[in-house]
Amino acid sequence: GAVVSQHPSRVICKSGTSVKIECRSLDFQATTMFWYRQFPKQSLMLMATSNEGSKATYEQGVEKDKFLINHASLTLSTLTVTSAHPEDSSFYICSARDREREKYNEQFFGPGTRLTVL
Amino acid sequence: GQNIDQPTEMTATEGAIVQINCTYQTSGFNGLFWYQQHAGEAPTFLSYNVLDGLEEKGRFSSFLSRSKGYSYLLLKELQMKDSASYLCAVRDPWDDKIIFGKGTRLHILP
Repeated sequence: GAVVSQHPSRVICKSGTSVKIECRSLDFQATTMFWYRQFPKQSLMLMATSNEGSKATYEQGVEKDKFLINHASLTLSTLTVTSAHPEDSSFYICSARDREREKYNEQFFGPGTRLTVL
Repeated sequence: GQNIDQPTEMTATEGAIVQINCTYQTSGFNGLFWYQQHAGEAPTFLSYNVLDGLEEKGRFSSFLSRSKGYSYLLLKELQMKDSASYLCAVRDPWDDKIIFGKGTRLHILP
């Protein structure tokens, strides 16, 4: 199957610091990766779409200067939460599309990163 | 715009059958997904429908009617481990995004 990993799985940081979250496709190449945020008892909200080698496309209301996304290779995308504040505390989940399986439209999700900002 | 509706919570008994409905109003459509999500974990893929009809996969089946903007997920022979949130999601054909509904929290009683 297609496996997506995220690191770290859990992070606690002080307000004002920056946090980097990595998303890797382990056994396939992902031309597109997606970043979601999920607050407790809420659904997944798409933050941005990350395409390898190009700038990310952000959803309305998501600050691109606060949530920096880099998709430098076909197996790695990173999300950096800059100057994190307590309201940024959330569950961040990435997903990736397998370029070989794109016709099936399936996305494979990482295990998520729980961010807590004190 | 996109609007995806599903019930917030449902309760069913172990061994029974439950149907979780999803209706959608979207500017475009290129497939509907169902995902299962346990608390604190990432979603896992259950099914994908792009044509009308029923897709069966073990204890889980998913149905789609594009003309009605309607889908359901049918879970048979419920087990306690099926207690989770079930997310209905629609893919937009114009920008490849998958938009999620708010999810249905399913509680299984022994």
